[in-house]
Order: sequence, then C-alpha cells, then structure tokens
Amino acid sequence: LAKTTQPISMDSYEGQEVNITCSHNNIATNDYITWYQQFPSQGPRFIIQGYKTKVTNEVASLFIPADRKSSTLSLPRVSLSDTAVYYCLVGDGNDMRFGAGTRLTVKP
Amino acid sequence: EAGVAQSPRYKIIEKRQSVAFWCNPISGHATLYWYQQILGQGPKLLIQFQNNGVVDDSQLPKDRFSAERLKGVDSTLKIQPAKLEDSAVYLCASSLRRKSSSGANVLTFGAGSRLTVL
Repeated sequence: LAKTTQPISMDSYEGQEVNITCSHNNIATNDYITWYQQFPSQGPRFIIQGYKTKVTNEVASLFIPADRKSSTLSLPRVSLSDTAVYYCLVGDGNDMRFGAGTRLTVKP
Repeated sequence: EAGVAQSPRYKIIEKRQSVAFWCNPISGHATLYWYQQILGQGPKLLIQFQNNGVVDDSQLPKDRFSAERLKGVDSTLKIQPAKLEDSAVYLCASSLRRKSSSGANVLTFGAGSRLTVL
C-alpha cells in the first residue's frame, strides 16, 4: 500500500474553493486513488475515485498529474456543512487502511 | 438500497467485561471490514473477510478480540475482556470486491458502534 501524506488541517470560508492535496510518491501501477469524507458520529463516506487525469462528479473533482505521485481533491464553493475530515487512500483495493486525514473547517 | 446496519449504536461497559457488535452488510457485498476508530484518529483496520474467510487480521489483538462471519453475510466482533484503551467507535464496512480482482474498490460504512469502557 502506497503511503500517503496529507495536511493535518485546513481552514476555509463559505463559498470558497478548497483544494486538499495528497502525496503518494510510491504509488504502484495498479493503485487507485480514493477519497472519503467523515462527519462526526458517522462512518466515512465515499466521495470520488480516480486513476489518472481528472475525474468529476456532483460533489467534487479529483486531479491527478501524469506521474500520479500526488492528487488533489477539489471542493467547489464549500459550505458550513462541508466541515469534516477527508481521507485519501491509495492502493489496488486489497489493503484498505486509512491515514489520519485532513480536518477541514469551513467558517462563515 | 439498504445501507450497512450496525448495532448497538452505543455501549458502556466496565473493564474486564465482554461486549459484542453486530454488522449486516449491503446485500451481495462479498467483502466485510471491521475498523476501530479512536477519537481524533483515522479508522484502523482490524479484520477483513472475503465471504466467510479471513483475508487480513494482522492488526486484530487476538488475545481479546475475535470476529466471525459464519454464513458469509452478517458478522460479529467480540471483545473479551475489555480494556480502557478499547474505548472507540467500531465501524463496519462492506464492498462488492472479490479477492481475485484488483483495481478500484469502494467501501460503504455503517454508522458505527460507540464503545465506552469505564
């Protein structure tokens, strides 16, 4: 499993775009990049998954450069309800281990 | 579709007592996971089942923790005897993934069972 590094915490304001970067220098050929979101008192929830270039869904975008050694989760126009912990997982799907995540706080 | 069901949602016990948590995964999901999440930390994988077989239990404290998935559907996680440091949220997750495949894998989590050991 490729080791990941994320910022411990980030602050933002309502209406701003938030970009959370995850470093994974040892990513392997078969590895996918998956992001989860966790609110207090809930289990993590799948946000987005990608292998290369750019993936977009109704919630977020995921940008992956050509070397795939990092990835960026982009949350457009955040609201207070986006305050949560965001986890980046990198692997081939066989080892689903979470890191400490990034605690995002959105302020009014 | 129905989500991952867990019970109980909350449990308070004294140290050295035993406790059991139950999980019912999404119908048809072959893989089931149990995680332990201590306050302020990311979820820690305890055990992973593929149908009713154990795939990975390397981080399960086997002297006090046990888990089973007898019919390849529901699962139970037991702690006996409990210690103060077992206070945490126990999360169950499931996925469609089959062991022989590789690539994308998406987990669906339950709401968790919060354990307090006094």
